[in-house]
Amino acid sequence: AQSVTQLDSHVSVSEGTPVLLRCNYSSSYSPSLFWYVQHPNKGLQLLLKYTSAATLVKGINGFEAEFKKSETSFHLTKPSAHMSDAAEYFCVVSDQGSGSARQLTFGSGTQLTVLP
Amino acid sequence: SAVISQKPSRDICQRGTSLTIQCQVDSQVTMMFWYRQQPGQSLTLIATANQGSEATYESGFVIDKFPISRPNLTFSTLTVSNMSPEDSSIYLCSVRATSGGIYNEQFFGPGTRLTVL
Repeated sequence: AQSVTQLDSHVSVSEGTPVLLRCNYSSSYSPSLFWYVQHPNKGLQLLLKYTSAATLVKGINGFEAEFKKSETSFHLTKPSAHMSDAAEYFCVVSDQGSGSARQLTFGSGTQLTVLP
Repeated sequence: SAVISQKPSRDICQRGTSLTIQCQVDSQVTMMFWYRQQPGQSLTLIATANQGSEATYESGFVIDKFPISRPNLTFSTLTVSNMSPEDSSIYLCSVRATSGGIYNEQFFGPGTRLTVL
């Protein structure tokens, strides 16, 4: 079984300050982990993914995440927030079972607000 | 990558009626998925739709309520039947890339925002 917990439902930061969105996971297998972003009235966009290669993963728009197996965490960070980063962020886990059986499990989401 | 379009983008429906949502992909894909996102909630998988076979439904979802068609490798429909206000949600189509080895990226459509009165 797999699950993912996003520790904050809402995060507020000022423009230009660092962003930290926290995610913990549980998986029976070696997991693949993802962060997706959802802007209002738009579809989900993949920010970055971890698939058992480098533990520090760089994504689009300056975001990165570090896979820490000992802490079962995959927190999303960005050094300097921009107004356009305001959106809903989802942490997603997928176990590496057979391709057809592998499913995505979504966290509950974190709403990021960026203050001017 | 895969580009996914959905029709309609939004609709307002009356209780007891049905709505069919279309999903079109710009490339052939093996696996298509339908998700529901209730207001303020995360995404929940409704079913997996593979071409040439019956859709596989997740716990809590049944074919009579959410019939799915998958006539070819680029198209699928989801019908929300006998709607009630509790069905008000965003319904998203998703596909999994067929290249990339053990890791296959999953792409999402823009969603269909359904309101049931």
